[in-house]
Formats: sequence, C-alpha cells, structure tokens
Amino acid sequence: NAGVTQTPKFQVLKTGQSMTLQCAQDMNHNSMYWYRQDPGMGLRLIYYSASEGTTDKGEVPNGYNVSRLNKREFSLRLESAAPSQTSVYFCASAAQGYGYTFGSGTRLTVV
Amino acid sequence: DQQVKQNSPSLSVQEGRISILNCDYTNSMFDYFLWYKKYPAEGPTFLISISSIKDKNEDGRFTVFLNKSAKHLSLHIVPSQPGDSAVYFCALHFSGNTGKLIFGQGTTLQVKP
Repeated sequence: NAGVTQTPKFQVLKTGQSMTLQCAQDMNHNSMYWYRQDPGMGLRLIYYSASEGTTDKGEVPNGYNVSRLNKREFSLRLESAAPSQTSVYFCASAAQGYGYTFGSGTRLTVV
Repeated sequence: DQQVKQNSPSLSVQEGRISILNCDYTNSMFDYFLWYKKYPAEGPTFLISISSIKDKNEDGRFTVFLNKSAKHLSLHIVPSQPGDSAVYFCALHFSGNTGKLIFGQGTTLQVKP
C-alpha cells in the first residue's frame, strides 16, 4: 500500500545506546517531517526536510540528527539515548504545503 | 511558550449529540488550520481544514469554524458516532512554503452509545 513506512515499530534502548529510526514514503512527496508525541504535549516537530538535500531544526531538535538520504527516505538518529527521549515518534510526508501523510509510529522506550 | 492550546484533554458525549472541540492560538502568522484524528497505535489522519480567509468549512458531519479576532478554532461533529471516538489534534500551518505544522496537545473524544 502507498504511504509512509516507519521501522521499527517498537524499540527498547539502554541509556547511552544509539539507534536510527527509518522512514520511507512512496508518494513522491517533497517534504518530510519527524515528530514526537508525548502525553499532554501533543506532537512536537523535531526536524524537517522541505526538499531533498535540505534539513532544518524544529521545536525540539536537541539529542537528534537527521539524514535525507534521497527523496524517499528520511532517517532520525539518536546518538546517545536518554530516558527523556522515551516517546512515540511519527514520520510524515507532504507533496507541498500542509497535506501530511503520517506513518504508524515507532514506540521507543529508553531505560 | 505554547502557540497552540487545546485546553480540554477529554470530552465525553452521547451518540447522536453534538461534539465541540476547541483550539486557541497566539500567533497571527498561520494561514491554514487543520484537524487531525488519531486512533490508538495508528498515525494521525487528516480530517478537515480551513483557510485563514474563511470562517467556516463543512464536510459532511464535520464543520470547522475559525474566529481570527479571537484566535479560536473549533470542530463540530454532528451527529456524533461511536466510531468518532479518538484523539483530535488541531494543527496550524505557518504561512510560507516549509509546510511546518504546529500541533495542539490533543483532545480525547469518547462517544457513548
């Protein structure tokens, strides 16, 4: 099915470990986004890529890095995981403007 | 400093009645206003939107109202159905072409049969 695919769906990390969350879209969208969802906080933008080859910080970028590998793929990396990064992470893509399509999320727990 | 606020974490209504979800914002630089719906273990899905040049947009049972002077957005669902039970997020788009959306905290709607 066309859409946004996130892997993995679940992950448990120990404090200090690193990992990369993968996101791929097959809709030929230009823009891609990473959000985190925390209780009572809604969805907060971590990083975004308005087009292939560009990335920019969002509201909560500290502790994260991103790579827009090509037009399809946008990965999020945690270099040294902390318990405060326990969250549900959503990737989204959009052709232009605000028409987001979201992936189903990655639930990350850092212990 | 939160630019977008949904002050009601939860709302419970009876099937067939009206559900009203509210969203307040502080920045005048938003040009599109959206509502997303989220079921457990799924990503948010787009529900309805309104441009800053309008004050009402209707799509079936869903109507979004925008009051720019009050910086207030609302979503009306009439009649409410049990399948509408979900978390609803308002999302505001900054004018410009980055496509960034700022989301509210979400309101959990429960529609009782």
